[in-house]
Amino acid sequence: DTGVSQNPRHKITKRGQNVTFRCDPISEHNRLYWYRQTLGQGPEFLTYFQNEAQLEKSRLLSDRFSAERPKGSFSTLEIQRTEQGDSAMYLCASSLDRGRPPEAFFGQGTRLTVV
Amino acid sequence: RKEVEQDPGPFNVPEGATVAFNCTYSNSASQSFFWYRQDCRKEPKLLMSVYSSGNEDGRFTAQLNRASQYISLLIRDSKLSDSATYLCVVSAGMRFGAGTRLTVKP
Repeated sequence: DTGVSQNPRHKITKRGQNVTFRCDPISEHNRLYWYRQTLGQGPEFLTYFQNEAQLEKSRLLSDRFSAERPKGSFSTLEIQRTEQGDSAMYLCASSLDRGRPPEAFFGQGTRLTVV
Repeated sequence: RKEVEQDPGPFNVPEGATVAFNCTYSNSASQSFFWYRQDCRKEPKLLMSVYSSGNEDGRFTAQLNRASQYISLLIRDSKLSDSATYLCVVSAGMRFGAGTRLTVKP
């Protein structure tokens, strides 16, 4: 399967715990995006990378959220001291930004439940 | 003002109907535009890119109006399988609208 892969698919954690999600983009895609989605809403932009550089981070994102893409391939999203309001679907997408509309392809997401 | 705003919906239409969605964006420097489709509990999937001159893919037509900063999606001859949430996306930064839910009924 050469699509975007996210792990784990589901995560249940207790409030206050740290969680980390992983995203493996489509190989050769240089852009990688993280989104959060709750029921009935569109995907909310969190951050994106061009290769290993984090080019933009949402102002709405608290300091408890951090993302990395150390080698320009896979990426991790960490949430520290989780809160119940963090419960959502976390989506990752990748695209190739090279002289054409950067169509993004999504992984199946990681569903986080904070109890 | 939100970066990307969509028709609130929901849209409930009979099979065979024509339905149109609009989406406005605030960043006049935006260069790329897309429509995505999202089924319940699934990830968004690319429906089509939107080009300046407008483009068509079967029953779907997308248009861009840079002067008024909006994009539109027209679906002709609606099918039951078109029922989904339609999301507009504006780049750079791939910002999504909140989505418009479409239900096509027999």
